[in-house]
Amino acid sequence: QKEVEQDPGPLSVPEGAIVSLNCTYSNSAFQYFMWYRQYSRKGPELLMYTYSSGNKEDGRFTAQVDKSSKYISLFIRDSQPSDSATYLCAMSAGGNKLVFGAGTILRVKS
Amino acid sequence: GAVVSQHPSRVICKSGTSVKIECRSLDFQATTMFWYRQFPKQSLMLMATSNEGSKATYEQGVEKDKFLINHASLTLSTLTVTSAHPEDSSFYICSAPVRGAGVKEQFFGPGTRLTVL
Repeated sequence: QKEVEQDPGPLSVPEGAIVSLNCTYSNSAFQYFMWYRQYSRKGPELLMYTYSSGNKEDGRFTAQVDKSSKYISLFIRDSQPSDSATYLCAMSAGGNKLVFGAGTILRVKS
Repeated sequence: GAVVSQHPSRVICKSGTSVKIECRSLDFQATTMFWYRQFPKQSLMLMATSNEGSKATYEQGVEKDKFLINHASLTLSTLTVTSAHPEDSSFYICSAPVRGAGVKEQFFGPGTRLTVL
């Protein structure tokens, strides 16, 4: 079993839709949860960062962490074609070592 | 945010040759850098942790004699793929955390696409 599971998609939605991206994990030591966006042939860029459980909102993006269920989500409101990318969840138990999910390919159609 | 660069962005080489990839933190110091490999439509897999002034730490299953890492200064780490073979073709990405900062202050390079013929 992988430490972090993420549905690779692709997920295709119309412009303006609400997008829900999810990851599950098995390591209860994870405390730091990140979402990265990666465009084709580019390095990942940090979108959202959450420590422990709870919600965090930043513009059109909302990150949720449920440690009791070992489940994290990223919601994108009013999705735009420019949001089309691969979204990677990543987790850490501390220090700087990150464990990534497989990434979900998102396509927003105009 | 901080900037991490990689060079070259793309390299094509013949089987059996060695290829060096550089990772630089441009506006901050990094005592640690991480090297990842990403196959098409797959996630980033950590290969090794590069430590300035000491030996790199390799993840299980990664051959240290094949993937040589040198962290010569607080802003430069290099990954050398020795005697490259077609199965080494991949997208190699480095990341560097800002020294003394938390895990969220970790910045990724743009990646190097290696194709071995």
